[in-house]
Amino acid sequence: DTEVTQTPKHLVMGMTNKKSLKCEQHMGHRAMYWYKQKAKKPPELMFVYSYEKLSINESVPSRFSPECPNSSLLNLHLHALQPEDSALYLCASSQVGTSGKNEQFFGPGTRLTVL
Amino acid sequence: GEDVEQSLFLSVREGDSSVINCTYTDSSSTYLYWYKQEPGAGLQLLTYIFSNMDMKQDQRLTVLLNKKDKHLSLRIADTQTGDSAIYFCAEIWSGNTGKLIFGQGTTLQVKP
Repeated sequence: DTEVTQTPKHLVMGMTNKKSLKCEQHMGHRAMYWYKQKAKKPPELMFVYSYEKLSINESVPSRFSPECPNSSLLNLHLHALQPEDSALYLCASSQVGTSGKNEQFFGPGTRLTVL
Repeated sequence: GEDVEQSLFLSVREGDSSVINCTYTDSSSTYLYWYKQEPGAGLQLLTYIFSNMDMKQDQRLTVLLNKKDKHLSLRIADTQTGDSAIYFCAEIWSGNTGKLIFGQGTTLQVKP
């Protein structure tokens, strides 16, 4: 299995809602990532988990709360979002190594719209 | 600092070769990557090159690296309409394990 899967594909939520994005991989990768991508822009890193521990938080607002319950799953909990948070949210995974190589494999993304 | 630059748009005819260029700033980057993103989809890892290599070929794709000039290019031979997409180059930011720094992306338009 060489896929990263994400659910849901599309999500529309109001500013007072609480929702979660889910990501799963079965490649044995021990690093998992959340990226945010606005239209016609490159992905921007939000969070990195390494061995199920948060290793990078790119100063993301607390209305985004990541969780890595096990080595295959990564969640992003959303609460009190703003319309400007509307974007494509991408999950990625990679092996953790010391060689410096970091082949990140991306899921198809969740298209989030905040009304 | 962290900065990766690409030209924004390239248009070619089907069957021609496409060359997408990228410059990067972090001279300690060990690996450089090319990703493809089709409309509404995630990023697909196309290929990568290790910094001690000058060239890497993989079927229709050729990656050239000029480390002195910090210049990376992706050549697609016999470009097809299915190659129409946004192409991102990326480097690993040496200051932080796991952080990929992406260029702005080059939109490749292939005309029949």
